[in-house]
Amino acid sequence: AQSVSQHNHHVILSEAASLELGCNYSYGGTVNLFWYVQYPGQHLQLLLKYFSGDPLVKGIKGFEAEFIKSKFSFNLRKPSVQWSDTAEYFCAVSTYGSSNTGKLIFGQGTTLQVKP
Amino acid sequence: EAGVAQSPRYKIIEKRQSVAFWCNPISGHATLYWYQQILGQGPKLLIQFQNNGVVDDSQLPKDRFSAERLKGVDSTLKIQPAKLEDSAVYLCASRKWREKDEQFFGPGTRLTVL
Repeated sequence: AQSVSQHNHHVILSEAASLELGCNYSYGGTVNLFWYVQYPGQHLQLLLKYFSGDPLVKGIKGFEAEFIKSKFSFNLRKPSVQWSDTAEYFCAVSTYGSSNTGKLIFGQGTTLQVKP
Repeated sequence: EAGVAQSPRYKIIEKRQSVAFWCNPISGHATLYWYQQILGQGPKLLIQFQNNGVVDDSQLPKDRFSAERLKGVDSTLKIQPAKLEDSAVYLCASRKWREKDEQFFGPGTRLTVL
């Protein structure tokens, strides 16, 4: 069965620090990859996605992620975080194939706390 | 464009009681998902509808959970009877229909079972 693993459960950074959140998935076939963000009191929102093409994808609010197929990884990065980036971040995968239903398989999430 | 609507936002019940959640997807979205998010975990798919048909309910505990999407628009998820371990946030999401269409999530219903 497919699974998604996020390396860090809780990350604390100071403003202007660089961010990298790790995400690995287990699936041998073609995948779609996503990062979702949930700000305090708000619903899940799509941060960025990868379907094909350039493995470096850019999302909203200065976030980017790199798909490394050989490592089954899709790490999220931001060069300089802001206090407003405090949120929970979820990596998710969906798979291609005849059984593809578009359902998302989520990691357990990483809580990011940015100190002003 | 209005987002995915869910109600109620919060619900507290005692174990063995029943509860129902409602979801209205974005207009024109053929695909609807119900996810369960237990505290400290990522969302897990319970059931997926394409229009009014079930596409995937392999993770739905069918002895106590049921869901329907009559007329292919809004949907209800029911738990009967509830157990303590059903305490979670229940998320509804929708997308148009294509694989590359984005899934939009509702605000969720937080269920507490005492």
